Amino acid sequence: DTGVSQDPRHKITKRGQNVTFRCDPISEHNRLYWYRQTLGQGPEFLTYFQNEAQLEKSRLLSDRFSAERPKGSFSTLEIQRTEQGDSAMYLCASSHRDEQFFGPGTRLTVL
Amino acid sequence: KNEVEQSPQNLTAQEGEFITINCSYSVGISALHWLQQHPGGGIVSLFMLSSGKKKHGRLIATINIQEKHSSLHITASHPRDSAVYICAVSLGKNAGGTSYGKLTFGQGTILTVHP
Repeated sequence: DTGVSQDPRHKITKRGQNVTFRCDPISEHNRLYWYRQTLGQGPEFLTYFQNEAQLEKSRLLSDRFSAERPKGSFSTLEIQRTEQGDSAMYLCASSHRDEQFFGPGTRLTVL
Repeated sequence: KNEVEQSPQNLTAQEGEFITINCSYSVGISALHWLQQHPGGGIVSLFMLSSGKKKHGRLIATINIQEKHSSLHITASHPRDSAVYICAVSLGKNAGGTSYGKLTFGQGTILTVHP
């Protein structure tokens, strides 16, 4: 399968714990995006990489959130000191030009 | 006011009916995307368009740039079409001619097609 993959698919954690999600984009795609989707809403943009450079971060991305794409391939999104409000689906997408291809998402539940 | 508005928010249809979902946006865009999301989260791109009309099977997407409006039509709807349909826009272009990349999404339309 050569699509976008995300790991884990589900994560349940206790408030205050740190979590890290991984996204593996389609191999030839130089752009990678993270979005967050809460129940009943459309996704919201979090951050965007072109190769290894993080070019834009949303104001939604508080200091507790950090994202990396160290070699311009896979990316990680870390949330420190999780809060119940962080519970959401975290979606990764990649693109070569304008069309974006989405991964299956990581569903985070913070208890 | 959201930059991307969809209507209706919920839509119920009988199998075989013609379905229309509307999307209006308030900003200049480089492209408009129609996406499909099934329960469990996975999002699939249906169309990306910047002008005119595109057709794929029973799905048709149109866009009117002057009116900042797009529609997604499903002909001969089927229960397997039941999903959330999301309109999203790419804003602007950089000097290289490609879009800035990030998508701004509508809230989605929940479509249920009954047999």
